[in-house]
Amino acid sequence: ILNVEQSPQSLHVQEGDSTNFTCSFPSSNFYALHWYRWETAKSPEALFVMTLNGDEKKKGRISATLNTKEGYSYLYIKGSQPEDSATYLCASPGNQFYFGTGTSLTVIP
Amino acid sequence: KAGVTQTPRYLIKTRGQQVTLSCSPISGHRSVSWYQQTPGQGLQFLFEYFSETQRNKGNFPGRFSGRQFSNSRSEMNVSTLELGDSALYLCASSLAGRQGAGANVLTFGAGSRLTVL
Repeated sequence: ILNVEQSPQSLHVQEGDSTNFTCSFPSSNFYALHWYRWETAKSPEALFVMTLNGDEKKKGRISATLNTKEGYSYLYIKGSQPEDSATYLCASPGNQFYFGTGTSLTVIP
Repeated sequence: KAGVTQTPRYLIKTRGQQVTLSCSPISGHRSVSWYQQTPGQGLQFLFEYFSETQRNKGNFPGRFSGRQFSNSRSEMNVSTLELGDSALYLCASSLAGRQGAGANVLTFGAGSRLTVL
C-alpha cells in the first residue's frame, strides 16, 4: 500500500491570489505522479503526469513540480480565478493507483 | 470521441439488495478500473480489469465483484447492500499497455451515485 498524502485539506483564496498545495508519496519504487482536477458535478480530469525527478509541467496558470528523492510534488496556481475552484487530487500508480484525499480549493470572487 | 460512460447515474436501493453498475470505456482503452468515493475519503480502489481479466483488487469484501466483456465494457456488482456502501462509484479507463505503467492517464466517467436506505 502506498501512502499518498495531500495538504492542506481545503483552501479558500481571493480571486487573483496565487496558491500552492502539496502531495507527498513514498519515494521508493517510484513510477509516476498524476495530478487530476475534479470540479463539482463533473468527472476528474488529468492535469499532469510527471515521471522524472525535477520535472516541471505547466498548463496555463497551473504548474507542478516533482521531487522523487524526497517524495513530494507541488501544484501551483498563479492568479487564481473562480473557475479554478475544484478538488485537486494526486495519485501514485503502483499495481493500482493510490489517490490522496485531495485539496479542495475555493476561489472567492 | 466519446468519453467514459457510466450507468445509471443515480440509484437508490435498500439494505440487502444487490446492484449492478456499468461502465463503457473510451474506444481503444482496454483497462477499466473502479473506485469508491465516500465523504472524507480519497478514491478507494476496488479493482482493475484488462482484457477481461481482473489484474488487481483492492481491499474490499467479496460482496464487491466485477467483470469485463470482450468489448472492454465493465460491470461491477455489489451484493447484500449495506448502508456503508452508499457512495459515488467511479470508473476510469486507460490504455494500460503495461501493468502499473505510470504514464497511463486515467479518463474517468461521471460516476454512479448509490444511496442505500
